[in-house]
Amino acid sequence: EAGVTQFPSHSVIEKGQTVTLRCDPISGHDNLYWYRRVMGKEIKFLLHFVKESKQDESGMPNNRFLAERTGGTYSTLKVQPAELEDSGVYFCASSLLRTGGRRNTEAFFGQGTRLTVV
Amino acid sequence: AQTVTQSQPEMSVQEAETVTLSCTYDTSESDYYLFWYKQPPSRQMILVIRQEAYKQQNATENRFSVNFQKAAKSFSLKISDSQLGDAAMYFCAYRSAKSNTGKLIFGQGTTLQVKP
Repeated sequence: EAGVTQFPSHSVIEKGQTVTLRCDPISGHDNLYWYRRVMGKEIKFLLHFVKESKQDESGMPNNRFLAERTGGTYSTLKVQPAELEDSGVYFCASSLLRTGGRRNTEAFFGQGTRLTVV
Repeated sequence: AQTVTQSQPEMSVQEAETVTLSCTYDTSESDYYLFWYKQPPSRQMILVIRQEAYKQQNATENRFSVNFQKAAKSFSLKISDSQLGDAAMYFCAYRSAKSNTGKLIFGQGTTLQVKP
C-alpha cells in the first residue's frame, strides 16, 4: 500500500512567486494534516482536513497560504506570494477517522517538501 | 496551550550502547497521547513509540522504551543496543485525547548520531 506522497520533494522559488505543494494521503484516510518546520525550530501544525472540510486551520500563518482538498482526496497548499520566511520543510500527514470512542488514530507522514524562497 | 520541549539538540552514542533522549511537556489535560517520531536523512517521519497517558505501564517496542513520568511531565526515550540505522532526528510529540483535530504538538527535535 502506498504511503503519504508529497510533490515536489524540493522547490526553489523567488520571493513574490507562487508555489503549490501537493499531498496524496493514504487511500481511505479522511484526516489530512499539514505541518511546517522552519529551519532549526519545531514542527508546527498548520491545518487539518476531515475529508474536504477544514476542521482546524488555526496554524495557518497568514492569508498568503491557501489549502484545499477538493473531493476529499489529495490536498494542495498554495503560497502566494512567497516570502523569505516561508522557507522550510512542509509535511503532510494522514490518518483514519475514528468516529466512536477515542478519536483519531496514528498519523502517517510524507517525506516533506523542502521549500526555499530566495 | 500545550508545549513540548526537547532540551538536547544533539546526542551521540556508540554503536551497541544505550542512549536516552529527553522530553518534557506542559499541559493541563489529564488524557493525552505522547509519541516519539524518527526522521532519518530521507526525511520521512516514522512513528517509533506511543504512550497513552492513562496507562501507567511504560511502552516498549523492541529496543525502544520510554520512561513516562506523568507527574513530572517527562517522557524520555531509551534506545538500547544502538544501531547505525538509528541515526536520525527524533521528535517528541503530544496529542490531546479530547481534541477532534488530532493535531500533534512537537518538540524541537534531537539529532542522534551513532558512532561505529
